[in-house]
Amino acid sequence: DIVMTQSPDSLAVSLGERATINCKSSQSVLHSSNNKNFLAWYQQKPGQPPKLLIYWASIRESGVPDRFSGSGSGTDFTLTISSLQAEDVAVYYCQQYYETRYSFGQGTKLEIK
Amino acid sequence: EVQVVESGGGLVQPGGSLRLSCAASGFTFSDYHMSWVRQAPGKGLEWFSYISSSSTYIYYADSVTGRFTISRDNAKNSLYLQMDSLRVEDTAMYYCATTMIRGVIGAFDVWGQGTMVTVSS
Repeated sequence: DIVMTQSPDSLAVSLGERATINCKSSQSVLHSSNNKNFLAWYQQKPGQPPKLLIYWASIRESGVPDRFSGSGSGTDFTLTISSLQAEDVAVYYCQQYYETRYSFGQGTKLEIK
Repeated sequence: EVQVVESGGGLVQPGGSLRLSCAASGFTFSDYHMSWVRQAPGKGLEWFSYISSSSTYIYYADSVTGRFTISRDNAKNSLYLQMDSLRVEDTAMYYCATTMIRGVIGAFDVWGQGTMVTVSS
């Protein structure tokens, strides 16, 4: 099974500043059939289900603000929030869907400094 | 409106059983693969079961293999989870989820609000 590891576990960033969350997979999630990375990012706020932000490692889901971006390939990925807003306080998860036995990272809690 | 709604959660004793349901609406349920994801209180997300659109392929995480059974009834637009031999560590919010994005399987853009399962004596 693919193990997803995020860093850091928690992060405090000032409003308007950049936030960066990392995700590493135990094996490559880049599929040779379509040259796409089977990697997604989610945002979860308290009392709510997760919300999909990014898929194919870098494609923003419809309606997601463009301050959110995803990058990386193979085993190393990054979610970047370019200018942190108060409403971005949440827990963020990466997830691989390369294997049907899907797996999530442990989560990164993002707070305001 | 695309929607999935979970039900069936509650309090059950260790070793007991529970059956969860997920009712789908607003889309052609029989065209979509479905998954169950759970989240223990204060913890992260855990995918643990998948069923393909026609029930041909079924997968489980090791944590539930042999105890949980996923199934679906496409005529009733419903997904099910039979949970047997429940353990305290199965206490969690249980979500059903799927992907509406064309060409994508496994990045979940549709989630229910979840149903809470508490296993305690």
